[in-house]
Amino acid sequence: GNSVTQMEGPVTLSEEAFLTINCTYTATGYPSLFWYVQYPGEGLQLLLKATKADDKGSNKGFEATYRKETTSFHLEKGSVQVSDSAVYFCALRSRGTGGFKTIFGAGTRLFVKA
Amino acid sequence: DTAVSQTPKYLVTQMGNDKSIKCEQNLGHDTMYWYKQDSKKFLKIMFSYNNKELIINETVPNRFSPKSPDKAHLNLHINSLELGDSAVYFCASSQDPAADEQFFGPGTRLTVL
Repeated sequence: GNSVTQMEGPVTLSEEAFLTINCTYTATGYPSLFWYVQYPGEGLQLLLKATKADDKGSNKGFEATYRKETTSFHLEKGSVQVSDSAVYFCALRSRGTGGFKTIFGAGTRLFVKA
Repeated sequence: DTAVSQTPKYLVTQMGNDKSIKCEQNLGHDTMYWYKQDSKKFLKIMFSYNNKELIINETVPNRFSPKSPDKAHLNLHINSLELGDSAVYFCASSQDPAADEQFFGPGTRLTVL
């Protein structure tokens, strides 16, 4: 079945450091890929998405490129801020016999120190 | 102007009790979902409704019964609560079942003692 694997956290960085959170997926067909962010005490919010191979999603300085050859969708940001501290979820959405379904990775907690 | 709201935010109860969590969305979406997030932050789909009809039911114990009185509401009733039901429950909605983006509520933290 479909699955999403992302790097275990927590990830602790200093402000202005470079961020990479790895995400790989297993899926049949051509899923859409997403990164969601969950700030403390809140629900998930869509951060960025890519719907086909080689697409790059970007938002708020974050980027991720849909790499079909490596089945990856790694999240990057050139310079993190304290306000980026949150849990980041990689997800895929695909259509199966039961209809469309979104599968989330286990989440990676990011701490950014001032 | 909250898009997806849930009540209550916190729920503490004894094993064996029955409880409900309510969810409302004012986005005009057709599709609503319930997710369970465990203590390790792992998020799993439980149910999905489209226009008040159940479309996804992910091998959830039948102690969990969703109810959708209209397409703006999806409530979750849980009978005979067990310790393992302790988790954060998120409601979400999307424009339709095929839509990419889901909009999440703030979550309900359920603690079963």
